[in-house]
Amino acid sequence: GEDVEQSLFLSVREGDSSVINCTYTDSSSTYLYWYKQEPGAGLQLLTYIFSNMDMKQDQRLTVLLNKKDKHLSLRIADTQTGDSAIYFCAESWAGGYNKLIFGAGTRLAVHP
Amino acid sequence: DTAVSQTPKYLVTQMGNDKSIKCEQNLGHDTMYWYKQDSKKFLKIMFSYNNKELIINETVPNRFSPKSPDKAHLNLHINSLELGDSAVYFCASSLSGDRIIAYGYTFGSGTRLTVV
Repeated sequence: GEDVEQSLFLSVREGDSSVINCTYTDSSSTYLYWYKQEPGAGLQLLTYIFSNMDMKQDQRLTVLLNKKDKHLSLRIADTQTGDSAIYFCAESWAGGYNKLIFGAGTRLAVHP
Repeated sequence: DTAVSQTPKYLVTQMGNDKSIKCEQNLGHDTMYWYKQDSKKFLKIMFSYNNKELIINETVPNRFSPKSPDKAHLNLHINSLELGDSAVYFCASSLSGDRIIAYGYTFGSGTRLTVV
């Protein structure tokens, strides 16, 4: 089935690390993505990971994938106020790359 | 030089009216999409066109009709608007096939539709 789940809200202190979690149901998903949505804007691709990888690091971002548990996480190191946004996890639909299934988004609030 | 542009940004209209939302991309992408984001921020795909051909048509009321005059444009026409149609509608574009992987979708900034 097509279902991606995320916790809805996360609050962190500036300078701490943030970890946003996601679970997906389609074990045949080949690619998983993290998108960021700032207020009043569209979604912006942050990073992606192939399903045959366990981890991917890109500057302050670390993506961890546990394929057995169908669990994906995004860690943001040294979280800044500019990181405050909604973060969406998405999986590619096994029926074709062109369709992405999105989670409901996690609202990250960064406070001083 | 906006990559994916949607118009209008805001649309307030009465129930029963017919309205259109326009989308244009200047990225040279060959696939375009319409997504609906409800009040809880949940994003659901509605339609996808590849080179003017409809390739994804989710369970959407037939009051919604997409039109793609060329691969740079994808418009969404909605007939007989209902209160439940109130949402933010996002247009997006991408390359197709393997090339979508690294670049994902490029989203427009959304059209907030309010039906009163």
